[in-house]
Amino acid sequence: NAGVTQTPKFQVLKTGQSMTLQCAQDMNHEYMSWYRQDPGMGLRLIHYSVGAGITDQGEVPNGYNVSRSTTEDFPLRLLSAAPSQTSVYFCASSFQNYGYTFGSGTRLTVV
Amino acid sequence: GQQLNQSPQSMFIQEGEDVSMNCTSSSIFNTWLWYKQDPGEGPVLLIALYKAGELTSNGRLTAQFGITRKDSFLNISASIPSDVGIYFCAGGNAGNNRKLIWGLGTSLAVNP
Repeated sequence: NAGVTQTPKFQVLKTGQSMTLQCAQDMNHEYMSWYRQDPGMGLRLIHYSVGAGITDQGEVPNGYNVSRSTTEDFPLRLLSAAPSQTSVYFCASSFQNYGYTFGSGTRLTVV
Repeated sequence: GQQLNQSPQSMFIQEGEDVSMNCTSSSIFNTWLWYKQDPGEGPVLLIALYKAGELTSNGRLTAQFGITRKDSFLNISASIPSDVGIYFCAGGNAGNNRKLIWGLGTSLAVNP
């Protein structure tokens, strides 16, 4: 099925560990974004990409890295996990309009 | 960061009632979007608005792009239990790399 696929769905990390959240879309979308969602905080943009090889920081980029080597994939790397990064992470993609398609999320707990 | 003012924060209604929610901003946008999020899922796009004054429907949902370009409204008619969820508004501007500014959401509960 076409859409945005995020893996894993759930993850528990220890403080200081690193990991990569995977995101793939098969709709040939140019624009991709990573958000985190916390209670009472809404959706906050971490990093985004306007095409392969082009990425930029969003509102809350500290502690996260991204790369976009292909149109399809946009992984998010946590460099050294901290409890403050406990959140639900969403990847989203869009073609030329603003109608982003979201993945089903990764629920991350850092202990 | 910038956020949109979305109200009400939550609503509890009876099945069959109509629902209205709105979103306001101090800045103008050339695109307004309305999303719905079900528990445990990502947001799903309901309606996209691209022109000031535009009124667009999607089934029982109707949304309007405010004439001042600083607000938008979403109405749900004859609510049903599956309307339960969180509704988000988002605004965007051309030339901003398709970055969206989001509201904090309206949580809707429907009593059957």
